[in-house]
Amino acid sequence: AQRVTQPEKLLSVFKGAPVELKCNYSYSGSPELFWYVQYSRQRLQLLLRHISRESIKGFTADLNKGETSFHLKKPFAQEEDSAMYYCAQTNAGKSTFGDGTTLTVKP
Amino acid sequence: DADVTQTPRNRITKTGKRIMLECSQTKGHDRMYWYRQDPGLGLRLIYYSFDVKDINKGEISDGYSVSRQAQAKFSLSLESAIPNQTALYFCATSPGGDYGYTFGSGTRLTVV
Repeated sequence: AQRVTQPEKLLSVFKGAPVELKCNYSYSGSPELFWYVQYSRQRLQLLLRHISRESIKGFTADLNKGETSFHLKKPFAQEEDSAMYYCAQTNAGKSTFGDGTTLTVKP
Repeated sequence: DADVTQTPRNRITKTGKRIMLECSQTKGHDRMYWYRQDPGLGLRLIYYSFDVKDINKGEISDGYSVSRQAQAKFSLSLESAIPNQTALYFCATSPGGDYGYTFGSGTRLTVV
């Protein structure tokens, strides 16, 4: 069975500090990987797709097939980045989610 | 705006009752999904459908059933609710490929 691991349930950083949210996946083929974010009182929304190699809200995520990782990074965290972040991998049209990491950015 | 709408937003029901959660979408996506979220456990797939005539079980389908009434509507039923089905339920849609999901706002279900 596919498995997505987010080892940190809680992560706290100060504003302006770099942040990295870790994600490891289990699928051995060519994975479709995503990061989703849920801000307070808002619905879960797509943040990044690995296929697009884009930067959204200053966040980037690099796929490392050797380490089976897809860590989410931002060089300078902002208070508005405080949210719950989920990593997900998709295979055969259905996604498996990690347990999520709650990021708190302190002023 | 094209969206994914879940009803009701909150529901409290008694053990043994049948309850239906509804999901409708205006995004024109063929694929629809039901997930449940429990504290600390992420999202787990209950059922999914790739088109109107297609229904598939997810990893935790026991105690649940679904109906895909149209491309835009996908309902989740709890035939006989039990307390450990208390959770936050999310509907999601996708156009397929590597485009990811669009989620509804969720239904918070409490079974007492």
